Amino acid sequence: KAGVTQTPRYLIKTRGQQVTLSCSPISGHRSVSWYQQTPGQGLQFLFEYFSETQRNKGNFPGRFSGRQFSNSRSEMNVSTLELGDSALYLCASSARGRTNTEAFFGQGTRLTVV
Amino acid sequence: KNQVEQSPQSLIILEGKNCTLQCNYTVSPFSNLRWYKQDTGRGPVSLTIMTFSENTKSNGRYTATLDADTKQSSLHITASQLSDSASYICVVSAGNNNDMRFGAGTRLTVKP
Repeated sequence: KAGVTQTPRYLIKTRGQQVTLSCSPISGHRSVSWYQQTPGQGLQFLFEYFSETQRNKGNFPGRFSGRQFSNSRSEMNVSTLELGDSALYLCASSARGRTNTEAFFGQGTRLTVV
Repeated sequence: KNQVEQSPQSLIILEGKNCTLQCNYTVSPFSNLRWYKQDTGRGPVSLTIMTFSENTKSNGRYTATLDADTKQSSLHITASQLSDSASYICVVSAGNNNDMRFGAGTRLTVKP
């Protein structure tokens, strides 16, 4: 079974631009969660999608948005990029997104904002 | 204040030695606790997941313990190998909606 796939692996953008990251979950998984990881803050939850609906949202500004498609693939968009948005963005998929279900992470997208 | 505290922040041990990483949490209501291993620049990989009723779970050389009364967990690594060098992250889920709270991680370095 293929794992969680994130594209692209690396990205360099200029301040003020926008970026879209993609996540393909494990086949059959309907829940996709997004996280930002920085050296100073560790892993921080962005949002979770289940069956095309945003179910949970972390404490991030509205510049961060996402969506999920009918095939469970998810995209995350960041508009008006700031230098502080440089981070490793991880997505995780799980079968139901509920308690005690295993969450599998992708390799992440390393975003650098210059 | 972070609801999941890990210690130590970093640890250096010699290959072949054992070590124990700690995780204390205040997350409530408790659902489950997971330990992940994360190599530099890669996504976390699950080591163990424990529910309220489980107090020990092993995965090869990794053994996790959970004391739900004191809200403490530990990850014991036996006979460490160079490939164990990574960050180990404790994650506690709250309630029924898979609300995951992350510890800051312990950075383990295994030296030859």
